[in-house]
Amino acid sequence: EIVLTQSPATLSLSPGERATLSCRASQSVSSYLAWYQQKPGQAPRLLIYDASNRATGIPARFSGSGSGTDFTLTISGLEPEDLAVYYCQQRSNWPLTFGGGTKLEIK
Amino acid sequence: EVQLVESGGGLVQPGGSLKLSCAASGFTFSGSAIHWVRQASGKGLEWVGRIRSKAYSYATEYAASVKGRFTISRDDSKNTAYLQMNSLKTEDTAFYYCTRRYCFGTSCIEDWFDPWGQGTLVTVSS
Repeated sequence: EIVLTQSPATLSLSPGERATLSCRASQSVSSYLAWYQQKPGQAPRLLIYDASNRATGIPARFSGSGSGTDFTLTISGLEPEDLAVYYCQQRSNWPLTFGGGTKLEIK
Repeated sequence: EVQLVESGGGLVQPGGSLKLSCAASGFTFSGSAIHWVRQASGKGLEWVGRIRSKAYSYATEYAASVKGRFTISRDDSKNTAYLQMNSLKTEDTAFYYCTRRYCFGTSCIEDWFDPWGQGTLVTVSS
């Protein structure tokens, strides 16, 4: 099973700042990595798929990069509504696995 | 609008059973795999299993933590998928979400998930 490790566990930033979230895989997942946003009390929503492609309706300030074992989700120009937990997920190998999440707090 | 609505959650004793439903609308349900993902309170996401479409003989896969206890099925005539949970343990307590593959325009990508239902809470406790 591929283990996805996300860091940091919690990130506290101010509006307008840039957030950089990391996801590291225990073995290569090529570009088969996605990012989800889960706001409080809501179901997850797909943000980024195949490492760097924004899902439909996702603002351009969300961007993804990386391949192999190291991936980054960048949120430029943070807004208060970005308060959420962000998860990465791989579909390279079965079983499908998720990272433990990064909680983004907005000061 | 694509929509998934879970139901059937509740309180059940350890060792008991429960069957969840996932009612779908807004897309061709019969052609789409359906996945179940769970989330314990305050914890991360855990993929539970999936059922593929008729074209793939309704093949199912499960996470090791539920294999042999949980069964996913579907009724394409009702646009509904099910998660039958037997021999429930306290560690199965979680919100259970159903979801499907991500589609954009006329293209779909298996095993990326969007949208998700709102979830249904299963509590296993004596």
